[in-house]
Amino acid sequence: EIVMTQSPATLSVSPGERATLSCRASQNILTNLAWYRLKHGQSPSLLIYNASTRATGVPSRFGGGGSGTEFTLTISSLQSDDFALYYCQQYNTWPPWTFGQGTKVEIK
Amino acid sequence: QVQLVESGGGVVQPGRSLRLSCAVSGFTFSDYGMFWVRQAPGKGLEWVAVIWYDGSKKYYGDSVKGRFTISRDNSKNTLYLQMSSLGAEDTAVYHCARWHANGWWDYWGQGTLVTVSS
Repeated sequence: EIVMTQSPATLSVSPGERATLSCRASQNILTNLAWYRLKHGQSPSLLIYNASTRATGVPSRFGGGGSGTEFTLTISSLQSDDFALYYCQQYNTWPPWTFGQGTKVEIK
Repeated sequence: QVQLVESGGGVVQPGRSLRLSCAVSGFTFSDYGMFWVRQAPGKGLEWVAVIWYDGSKKYYGDSVKGRFTISRDNSKNTLYLQMSSLGAEDTAVYHCARWHANGWWDYWGQGTLVTVSS
């Protein structure tokens, strides 16, 4: 099973500032990685797939990068809607499909 | 537009059963594999089960194997999760999600809350 590790667990950021979230895979997953955003009471939404491709309708302030075992999600200028939980997920080797434990982005 | 709407959650006693449904619209359901995933209170996302577009293959997470059954009715555009022998550890919000052909999960439902408590 591929273990996904996200850091930090919580990120305190002021609106308009930049946030960088990290995700590490226990094995090489090439670029088979997605990022999702979860807000309470809403459907989780796909942000990034193939490590760096923005999903349809996702603003350009979201950027993904990395390959192999190290990945990042960058939010260039945080908006109010961006304070949420973020999860990375690998879809390179399955089953199981595995997620990181999540990063909470909160208002500083 | 693509919509996935879960239902069937609620409070259930330990050891009992419950069936969740996920009604979809806005796409050809029979073309897509589908997932169930859950998030327990204060915990991260956990993959629960997957079913192929035609129901021919199914896989389960270790924590639910032998207790949960995923199924689908392509004529009704509905995905199901039959849960049995429920325990407190199954308390979670359960989401259904669509499997994009290239691997990621591109649409999710809002979720339905299952609480296992006496």
